[in-house]
Amino acid sequence: AQSVAQPEDQVNVAEGNPLTVKCTYSVSGNPYLFWYVQYPNRGLQFLLKYITGDNLVKGSYGFEAEFNKSQTSFHLKKPSALVSDSALYFCAVRDYGNNRLAFGKGNQVVVIP
Amino acid sequence: DTEVTQTPKHLVMGMTNKKSLKCEQHMGHRAMYWYKQKAKKPPELMFVYSYEKLSINESVPSRFSPECPNSSLLNLHLHALQPEDSALYLCASSQETGGKAGELFFGEGSRLTVL
Repeated sequence: AQSVAQPEDQVNVAEGNPLTVKCTYSVSGNPYLFWYVQYPNRGLQFLLKYITGDNLVKGSYGFEAEFNKSQTSFHLKKPSALVSDSALYFCAVRDYGNNRLAFGKGNQVVVIP
Repeated sequence: DTEVTQTPKHLVMGMTNKKSLKCEQHMGHRAMYWYKQKAKKPPELMFVYSYEKLSINESVPSRFSPECPNSSLLNLHLHALQPEDSALYLCASSQETGGKAGELFFGEGSRLTVL
């Protein structure tokens, strides 16, 4: 079965500093990988995805993610964090052949002013 | 602004009540989902409808009953719930196939409290 792991529970970063949220995956076959963000008391919002193509994927709100096949990683990055980026971030992998998304446990990101 | 609309936003019900959660999307998506989410946890898949047919039921207790009246609407009927069913219930939709499958659009959720 497809799965993703988010090793950290919380990421603290100072405003203006680079932000990285880590995700590793385990799949059989080609991975379909996603990042979602959840702001307090809101639903999840799609940020970006990797299906095929360039290993560096650009998404919403200035976020990007780098697909690394040799390290089976799909880390989310932002060059300069904003206080408004404080939220819960989920990495996910799509189960090939159906519409089941497997989510990681989530990372709470806290951007300190 | 989300393009998936869920009502009600908040619901408080007793264990003997019958209530329903509603979800609507007008993006032409043919896959619709119900998820349950506890605080600070990832969403847990409950049901998936594909072309208005139930395609995935993740062994959800029968006190939760989904319904897809048409391609734009998804309901979740609730009956005889338990306090541990209190959670945020999220509806989502996506294209059925192709590169955008898996790119889910979520509603804001219905926060359910069972007393």
